[in-house]
Amino acid sequence: SQQGEEDPQALSIQEGENATMNCSYKTSINNLQWYRQNSGRGLVHLILIRSNEREKHSGRLRVTLDTSKKSSSLLITASRAADTASYFCATGDFNKFYFGSGTKLNVKP
Amino acid sequence: ETGVTQTPRHLVMGMTNKKSLKCEQHLGHNAMYWYKQSAKKPLELMFVYSLEERVENNSVPSRFSPECPNSSHLFLHLHTLQPEDSALYLCASSPGLAGGLAYEQYFGPGTRLTVT
Repeated sequence: SQQGEEDPQALSIQEGENATMNCSYKTSINNLQWYRQNSGRGLVHLILIRSNEREKHSGRLRVTLDTSKKSSSLLITASRAADTASYFCATGDFNKFYFGSGTKLNVKP
Repeated sequence: ETGVTQTPRHLVMGMTNKKSLKCEQHLGHNAMYWYKQSAKKPLELMFVYSLEERVENNSVPSRFSPECPNSSHLFLHLHTLQPEDSALYLCASSPGLAGGLAYEQYFGPGTRLTVT
């Protein structure tokens, strides 16, 4: 399975701190994407990183990709209470995506 | 809002009922997807449509029947469901399906289904 697996399963931090989540996957990929889901809602796309990229930034988000280790990390800097959500990595293929089980982030005000 | 709407947002149905979930995208996308999200399980891809043609059916039981009448609308017809089918059903769309590369997906808010 190409399914990504996030680590840790849950993370609790104080507002202003940085949050780092990791994703590992099993097979070769063309791209890897990160999504956020607020409780009981749909997923929101955050960032896409292609297999030939090593790092990508979007606002307070920084994503790295290490294809030799089959892993990716998502860093949220200067976290806010509004960042509280579940975060998922997804690996893409021609016509399907494989999602992990997610990291539940709680940012305490 | 993501440009993908789903109705109803909540649905309670008995095991003998027949109901349908509706998804509509206003983004001009060519691909649409149905996902199932159960508690403590990864998101499961159920069906993929590209230009109204089903291109993926991920071993989903026949009690779930998808329909894509045009590139903007996607339905999931439900009949004789089981309690374990209770979950959040998410619809998504993407610009298309490109060989070797996948686009980002835009998700609807989901339909919370409870089967009694």
